[in-house]
Amino acid sequence: RKEVEQDPGPFNVPEGATVAFNCTYSNSASQSFFWYRQDCRKEPKLLMSVYSSGNEDGRFTAQLNRASQYISLLIRDSKLSDSATYLCVVTSYNTDKLIFGTGTRLQVFP
Amino acid sequence: DGGITQSPKYLFRKEGQNVTLSCEQNLNHDAMYWYRQDPGQGLRLIYYSQIVNDFQKGDIAEGYSVSREKKESFPLTVTSAQKNPTAFYLCASQDRGGVNEQFFGPGTRLTVL
Repeated sequence: RKEVEQDPGPFNVPEGATVAFNCTYSNSASQSFFWYRQDCRKEPKLLMSVYSSGNEDGRFTAQLNRASQYISLLIRDSKLSDSATYLCVVTSYNTDKLIFGTGTRLQVFP
Repeated sequence: DGGITQSPKYLFRKEGQNVTLSCEQNLNHDAMYWYRQDPGQGLRLIYYSQIVNDFQKGDIAEGYSVSREKKESFPLTVTSAQKNPTAFYLCASQDRGGVNEQFFGPGTRLTVL
């Protein structure tokens, strides 16, 4: 089983739609969680950290469910510029190393 | 402007040749990392360094070597022993006193001909 699993997609949604991605992780001792965004042929960039209480940044909401070992990302009012691959990232237990999921591709169409 | 630079952006190499990828950061970060990314796969850790003059193997270190003589620099050498070196290589740095966020360079796309 992979340490971090994501549905690869693609998710094809119209502008203005709400879309949600889930990600599961296998190590219950994982401590930090992130969503990164990666545009085609570019480097990943941090979208948001995920906190236990859940957090929101504009149109983006991240949730963490430790009991079920999954994190989610909700994007409201999708824009064309949201088209990208979204990487779920979890820290390895007791180290600073990050474990990356394979990413979920989102395509927003007009 | 603070950030991470990688050079070159594109690199072509003949089979059997060693090649060194550059990574420089001016963020004053202690930790630096090298990853490779292949189509349909997540980032895989090659080597990392948490302090100058020290580095550790990641998950796929075979066929690669690194050095960390300066805080700002963490070059990666892809040797001829690497069986399938064609990939997108990403360097990252991290402030170990922070919240684990890693900052990435723009990457080097290596193609072996």
